[in-house]
Amino acid sequence: KQEVTQIPAALSVPEGENLVLNCSFTDSAIYNLQWFRQDPGKGLTSLLLIQSSQREQTSGRLNASLDKSSGRSTLYIAASQPGDSATYLCAADNSGNTPLVFGKGTRLSVIA
Amino acid sequence: DAGVIQSPRHEVTEMGQEVTLRCKPISGHNSLFWYRQTMMRGLELLIYFNNNVPIDDSGMPEDRFSAKMPNASFSTLKIQPSEPRDSAVYFCASSSPGPAFFGPGTRLTVL
Repeated sequence: KQEVTQIPAALSVPEGENLVLNCSFTDSAIYNLQWFRQDPGKGLTSLLLIQSSQREQTSGRLNASLDKSSGRSTLYIAASQPGDSATYLCAADNSGNTPLVFGKGTRLSVIA
Repeated sequence: DAGVIQSPRHEVTEMGQEVTLRCKPISGHNSLFWYRQTMMRGLELLIYFNNNVPIDDSGMPEDRFSAKMPNASFSTLKIQPSEPRDSAVYFCASSSPGPAFFGPGTRLTVL
């Protein structure tokens, strides 16, 4: 059974800093690894999806990497801004039509 | 496309009442997922459908919970009778497969 862990649970950084959020998963036979952002009281916004054949995906200041052999994914945020403050969730599935298994998330605060 | 649509956005009810949550997936998506989010347990899968057929309902906490997908564009999650511990945010998501897209959620409060 897939289990997803995110460390740390919370992170506070000054504005402008580059940061890395970590995600680990127990079953390396993943199909998709997806990163989401959730603002307080809101739904989930998909940020990046990495397919099992890929190693990384980039969107603007965000870069997500995937290392299946070590069971890890990272989300790199460059030049952080207060508007990046949110909870970031990592999720993995084992095939295209199976559910995502979520980590508990990392709550990020970027201080101006 | 308007994305995944859920209704109602907020529901406040009293213990023992029936609650029905609704979801309209993105057109063309063939998988639909119901999740529940609480502070203690995070996001948990309740049930999912492929091509309108329930595949795994092992996450449904009790017989009080039931879900249906009568056609490709509509699904319901029903709780009868509701209890205070059912209070949570319920999310619906769909995929084609590929990235999963989530609805805005229904915040349920059972008094």
